[in-house]
Amino acid sequence: DVKVTQSSRYLVKRTGEKVFLECVQDMDHENMFWYRQDPGLGLRLIYFSYDVKMKEKGDIPEGYSVSREKKERFSLILESASTNQTSMYLCATHGTNYGYTFGSGTRLTVV
Amino acid sequence: QKEVEQNSGPLSVPEGAIASLNCTYSDRGSQSFFWYRQYSGKSPELIMFIYSNGDKEDGRFTAQLNKASQYVSLLIRDSQPSDSATYLCAVRGSNYKLTFGKGTLLTVNP
Repeated sequence: DVKVTQSSRYLVKRTGEKVFLECVQDMDHENMFWYRQDPGLGLRLIYFSYDVKMKEKGDIPEGYSVSREKKERFSLILESASTNQTSMYLCATHGTNYGYTFGSGTRLTVV
Repeated sequence: QKEVEQNSGPLSVPEGAIASLNCTYSDRGSQSFFWYRQYSGKSPELIMFIYSNGDKEDGRFTAQLNKASQYVSLLIRDSQPSDSATYLCAVRGSNYKLTFGKGTLLTVNP
């Protein structure tokens, strides 16, 4: 089975800090995704990457950037954290049959 | 804008009953359809996928797809309290990106 590991389960950061969320997958998949999930809004795509150093904006990229220097690792960067970025962040990669496999999520609180 | 709509919840059923979860999608070119289960505080896990019109059964779960009506559903037979979760419908178009519905909260009462 595909394993997707997110480095932190819970994170508390201060407004204005630069925040790095890390995601690692063990199956050599090309495609990786970052979502945020908020009550009433569902899962919203922030960025995705279809190969090393390749990235595309999703539906809500503002305030975020990404980095993919190695195939197995896809990082989400909050350039200057704000309270409206408090959310659950989910990393995913392609699983079987083009369904996603998700990491366990990072619950980020910005104070 | 591709949209995926799920029947508004919450849905409450007694233990042993059939739970029916519904989903409609706007992109007629959609090719693959997925159901995810998400327990509170956890990440979504894939439970079913379907590509072709008709029914697909896996244990107590049956996915139904009608492309002409742009409709996909999930039936859970003999519902158990452990099935209580939010169920997310997801649709894949001509690329590898999935569009998710907002989910339906299911509660199975003992």
